[in-house]
Amino acid sequence: DSGVTQTPKHLITATGQRVTLRCSPRSGDLSVYWYQQSLDQGLQFLIQYYNGEERAKGNILERFSAQQFPDLHSELNLSSLELGDSALYFCASSGSGYEQYFGPGTRLTVT
Amino acid sequence: AQKITQTQPGMFVQEKEAVTLDCTYDTSDQSYGLFWYKQPSSGEMIFLIYQGSYDEQNATEGRYSLNFQKARKSANLVISASQLGDSAMYFCAMRPYGAGGNKLTFGTGTQLKVEL
Repeated sequence: DSGVTQTPKHLITATGQRVTLRCSPRSGDLSVYWYQQSLDQGLQFLIQYYNGEERAKGNILERFSAQQFPDLHSELNLSSLELGDSALYFCASSGSGYEQYFGPGTRLTVT
Repeated sequence: AQKITQTQPGMFVQEKEAVTLDCTYDTSDQSYGLFWYKQPSSGEMIFLIYQGSYDEQNATEGRYSLNFQKARKSANLVISASQLGDSAMYFCAMRPYGAGGNKLTFGTGTQLKVEL
């Protein structure tokens, strides 16, 4: 158990809908990262937050947005969902060390 | 930009044998970190081992060791005394140090199967 929690574990929704994925980092970690894992794109970095501020942005679509709250939990919002958004979405956190610890992931299926 | 190449899509190893999973990287950064993660069929990503670009000694964590050859830009993972529970997908990743965040760039992974 990495100490990073993600909810929900599974999500099935229809095209055009909006969903919110939630992540709680390990206790004390200020950085939160979101990654997307899909069969065709592999593991891709989406966005990083550090103590509530956006720190880095990767291949994140404009339909996707994220935020980190004062209690350090983070949410990833995905809107106008398309079939191609079906993927495993990971949240990771890091503290003073270099390694990132990943949550169990949310498996999103868009039908 | 960083790039990670894992050329072995699949590997088989006999239980109790050692296995080396290959990883080469490309970066223009002078300072960076290299990581290996394990993803079992259940889907979670498990951190295994880390190597800093300026570390002179190869990293070791239990049965895992990282064979770091900076001049060749390779960071191979060696698993000694393989166990059935080592069957999983293994990802090599790297991140630069410095401004711009700490994003990990991943390779495409190697599927390891440990056989009796």
